[in-house]
Amino acid sequence: DVKVTQSSRYLVKRTGEKVFLECVQDMDHENMFWYRQDPGLGLRLIYFSYDVKMKEKGDIPEGYSVSREKKERFSLILESASTNQTSMYLCASSLGAGGYNEQFFGPGTRLTVL
Amino acid sequence: AQSVTQLGSHVSVSEGALVLLRCNYSSSVPPYLFWYVQYPNQGLQLLLKYTSAATLVKGINGFEAEFKKSETSFHLTKPSAHMSDAAEYFCAVSHRDDKIIFGKGTRLHILP
Repeated sequence: DVKVTQSSRYLVKRTGEKVFLECVQDMDHENMFWYRQDPGLGLRLIYFSYDVKMKEKGDIPEGYSVSREKKERFSLILESASTNQTSMYLCASSLGAGGYNEQFFGPGTRLTVL
Repeated sequence: AQSVTQLGSHVSVSEGALVLLRCNYSSSVPPYLFWYVQYPNQGLQLLLKYTSAATLVKGINGFEAEFKKSETSFHLTKPSAHMSDAAEYFCAVSHRDDKIIFGKGTRLHILP
């Protein structure tokens, strides 16, 4: 059974802290994605990766960075957390290539920045 | 550029009534289309997808959607709503690359 796991379901951090969100998939998928989800705005793509050590900016990359050292793991980094980064963060993976491949999602991490 | 519009951020239906969630897309080439569902405090899971095989697509939990090219629509339906269908539903579109563009979502409320 396909599985995407995220390191934390809930996280509370202070402004200025460095925050790491971890995502692991066990399906040998090439593609991995990070989204943030806010009420009324749907899902917005932050970064994605087509392969190990490869990354591409999504629609809202400012204030974020990512790391993909191993195929199964994709990390989202908030270098200096700010209150406007309080959100639900969703990780997803998909089999490459071709747009017909659905994405499989983790349960999400609800991050609160105080 | 691709885009997806979901009509109605909230939809309420009575238990046992027809569920209709509307989705229109914008695309210059034949798209791939998806419907995802998100239950409270969970990630998204795939309900169904259209990949140009059949225009009427059947998904899980009794949902189906019809691709209508002339109307650029991909509306989601279910003949009889159940309380367990209460969730948020996302329509999405993609092309040859692997990025998926999601709509803003429609929250479905089921009235007893």
